[in-house]
Amino acid sequence: NAGVTQTPKFQVLKTGQSMTLQCAQDMNHEYMSWYRQDPGMGLRLIHYSVGAGITDQGEVPNGYNVSRSTTEDFPLRLLSAAPSQTSVYFCASSSYRTVWYFGPGTRLTVL
Amino acid sequence: GNSVTQMEGPVTLSEEAFLTINCTYTATGYPSLFWYVQYPGEGLQLLLKATKADDKGSNKGFEATYRKETTSFHLEKGSVQVSDSAVYFCALISYTGANSKLTFGKGITLSVRP
Repeated sequence: NAGVTQTPKFQVLKTGQSMTLQCAQDMNHEYMSWYRQDPGMGLRLIHYSVGAGITDQGEVPNGYNVSRSTTEDFPLRLLSAAPSQTSVYFCASSSYRTVWYFGPGTRLTVL
Repeated sequence: GNSVTQMEGPVTLSEEAFLTINCTYTATGYPSLFWYVQYPGEGLQLLLKATKADDKGSNKGFEATYRKETTSFHLEKGSVQVSDSAVYFCALISYTGANSKLTFGKGITLSVRP
């Protein structure tokens, strides 16, 4: 199993550009989440999904959009990138909501 | 709301030294507690967990005991290795409706020198 995979690993955007961060898992997990990691702040929850077709907001959802059309994929869309969205983004998945498995992350810089 | 407080870092130790990383939490009820480790350039990996008071989680020589009376979950290792150099995050889990959410501490960077 590949576990949780994320692409790209690195990305540089200009202010106002849009892009999609990809996340996929091959463990047939129902639960998936997106976190962002900022220096000295730990990780904060952006959006989450409890199954295909069901998504909801976390604690820092503004400027991001998600969808979950399949169990495997959970892309995160930046609608109009801002410098405040410079961060490392982690996707995670879980089968029973207790133990979460994280992807390797995407490092995003917005100029 | 829930919160996790970790000791300030970074921490630098010599190989074979004893490690303690402090973690305290604030939460309603008795959440499950976790330590995650992030090696350079990688994502977070679950290191160990404890689900109820007095439980001891252990893995790879690391241990942490769930102390309800002091709301703490300190991470310890008797003899660190260079390969333990990483960022360590303490976290608790809360259940919100159909989902669960991890609340993380700020993380602490551990460097082990030969």
